[in-house]
Amino acid sequence: QKEVEQNSGPLSVPEGAIASLNCTYSDRGSQSFFWYRQYSGKSPELIMFIYSNGDKEDGRFTAQLNKASQYVSLLIRDSQPSDSATYLCAVRGSQGNLIFGKGTKLSVKP
Amino acid sequence: DVKVTQSSRYLVKRTGEKVFLECVQDMDHENMFWYRQDPGLGLRLIYFSYDVKMKEKGDIPEGYSVSREKKERFSLILESASTNQTSMYLCASSLRTPYEQYFGPGTRLTVT
Repeated sequence: QKEVEQNSGPLSVPEGAIASLNCTYSDRGSQSFFWYRQYSGKSPELIMFIYSNGDKEDGRFTAQLNKASQYVSLLIRDSQPSDSATYLCAVRGSQGNLIFGKGTKLSVKP
Repeated sequence: DVKVTQSSRYLVKRTGEKVFLECVQDMDHENMFWYRQDPGLGLRLIYFSYDVKMKEKGDIPEGYSVSREKKERFSLILESASTNQTSMYLCASSLRTPYEQYFGPGTRLTVT
């Protein structure tokens, strides 16, 4: 059974700090990786996707992928209270579906 | 902008009823998915479809069926609703594999 593991948190950071969210996956053959943000009572919203080793930046968000270590992370710079949400890591499965981690709850304190 | 819509935001049904959840996407996406999300269990895939009239079982298909008669519409059917099917149901679509999935707003179903 392919798995995606995330620390459930909550992860608490002060406003303006860098939040670091981590994810590991079990299938070494995985090629596509996604980060979603989910506010309480809402559906997941795609933040970023990454396919290649290294870093990918989009505004305050940076996704980092290390396939050798089977590790993907999301950095949020200059964290804001509005970033408080659950962040879901997802990995593409062999049938084209996504396999989701259970999410990390982030709390940004003013 | 991709838009995925679901027929209801909240739904209350009785045990044994047949329940239809509808999902429509407007971006000509080939792939569509149904998930349920429960506290502590995360998102679990029920069924997915790569094309019209095609369906594939996900991780938890028992008690559910699906229909995809048109490319833009994917329906989830609970043949005989049970209380353990009380959950948040999320529909998603993607252009093709391996592209990203976009979610609808969700339907919170309560079975009493």
